[in-house]
Amino acid sequence: EAGVAQSPRYKIIEKRQSVAFWCNPISGHATLYWYQQILGQGPKLLIQFQNNGVVDDSQLPKDRFSAERLKGVDSTLKIQPAKLEDSAVYLCASSSPGVFTNTGELFFGEGSRLTVL
Amino acid sequence: GDSVTQMEGPVTLSEEAFLTINCTYTATGYPSLFWYVQYPGEGLQLLLKATKADDKGSNKGFEATYRKETTSFHLEKGSVQVSDSAVYFCALRGMLTGGGNKLTFGTGTQLKVEL
Repeated sequence: EAGVAQSPRYKIIEKRQSVAFWCNPISGHATLYWYQQILGQGPKLLIQFQNNGVVDDSQLPKDRFSAERLKGVDSTLKIQPAKLEDSAVYLCASSSPGVFTNTGELFFGEGSRLTVL
Repeated sequence: GDSVTQMEGPVTLSEEAFLTINCTYTATGYPSLFWYVQYPGEGLQLLLKATKADDKGSNKGFEATYRKETTSFHLEKGSVQVSDSAVYFCALRGMLTGGGNKLTFGTGTQLKVEL
């Protein structure tokens, strides 16, 4: 079974530029999460989708971050304009709601590392 | 809100040493507790879990017991191996209300095991 795919793995940009990250979850997983992991900190949830609807985006900085999951499968996270403090690893995770309720297991991709200069 | 506090790393041990990584939490009600592990170059993966007080989660020789009285979920292993070198994250899932179904993570503890 293929895992969660993310791209690009690494990205370096100047501040005020824009960047987009892509995630393809495990086939059949209805729930998709984007987490931000700043160096030395734990992953912080940015946004959670259930199919193509947003369940929780309370910690998403909406003035510069946006995310979509138009067809309920893959997802894109965009940052525009980027700031220095956006340097982090952006993790995508997916789950099947019933499985998550029972086991708490999320399946993570390898992450996309962003460096803002 | 919900939060998780882990001991800071890195933790450096010799092979076959005993491991403890402390984790305490703050949450309302009865959360479920988890340990995730991130091996070098890989994504986070679930190591073990416990869903109610006094439950013991175990996997790959690792154990953790859900202690409600001390709000703790410490990770232990009796004899670590070099292959256990990774970053370990404690996490909780709060009460399953209509607000969503998500994990709150600690800051992670890096473990280095040397020969």
